[in-house]
Amino acid sequence: GQQVMQIPQYQHVQEGEDFTTYCNSSTTLSNIQWYKQRPGGHPVFLIQLVKSGEVKKQKRLTFQFGEAKKNSSLHITATQTTDVGTYFCAGGLGGQNFVFGPGTRLSVLP
Amino acid sequence: EAEVAQSPRYKITEKSQAVAFWCDPISGHATLYWYRQILGQGPELLVQFQDESVVDDSQLPKDRFSAERLKGVDSTLKIQPAELGDSAMYLCASSRTGGSSGYTFGSGTRLTVV
Repeated sequence: GQQVMQIPQYQHVQEGEDFTTYCNSSTTLSNIQWYKQRPGGHPVFLIQLVKSGEVKKQKRLTFQFGEAKKNSSLHITATQTTDVGTYFCAGGLGGQNFVFGPGTRLSVLP
Repeated sequence: EAEVAQSPRYKITEKSQAVAFWCDPISGHATLYWYRQILGQGPELLVQFQDESVVDDSQLPKDRFSAERLKGVDSTLKIQPAELGDSAMYLCASSRTGGSSGYTFGSGTRLTVV
């Protein structure tokens, strides 16, 4: 079946350092979404990427969608303690059917 | 800001008992999803509704799980009988048709089966 993987599983960074999580699909995706889940909370939608090679920015967050539409990345510049949480990618299979990756848990040390 | 309402927030039940969760999506969101999230993992789709119709229930363990959205608004997910392995967070989400603005998740129901 459809597989969406993410690496790393965990990342510990010092506040101010950069962070990147990678998402990889076994098949070509129609689009990809990213979510953030704070500890004890629920996933919150961050962004959707649709086009091959697309890059979008939200303040310190940069999202990329690969040329082959099989991978994506989320990069955070100069992490802050408010960035703590688990970041999930969700690969679009067509229509409104998405498969979530296992997530990358980010810890930020002050 | 509009929210997806879920209840109860927490539920403890004994194995072999029945349990039900309720979800009220954002008004106007035609698509409703039930996800199960085991601690430390990503959400896994159980069932997807478009209005009152089931679009995808391929991952729903139908021998014990059932879901309905009778009037195309709120929805109920039931487990009968509950098993120890059902302990997880059950998340409801909704989206507009097209889904380009992503899913809006509710706060979830944390189920513990003892």
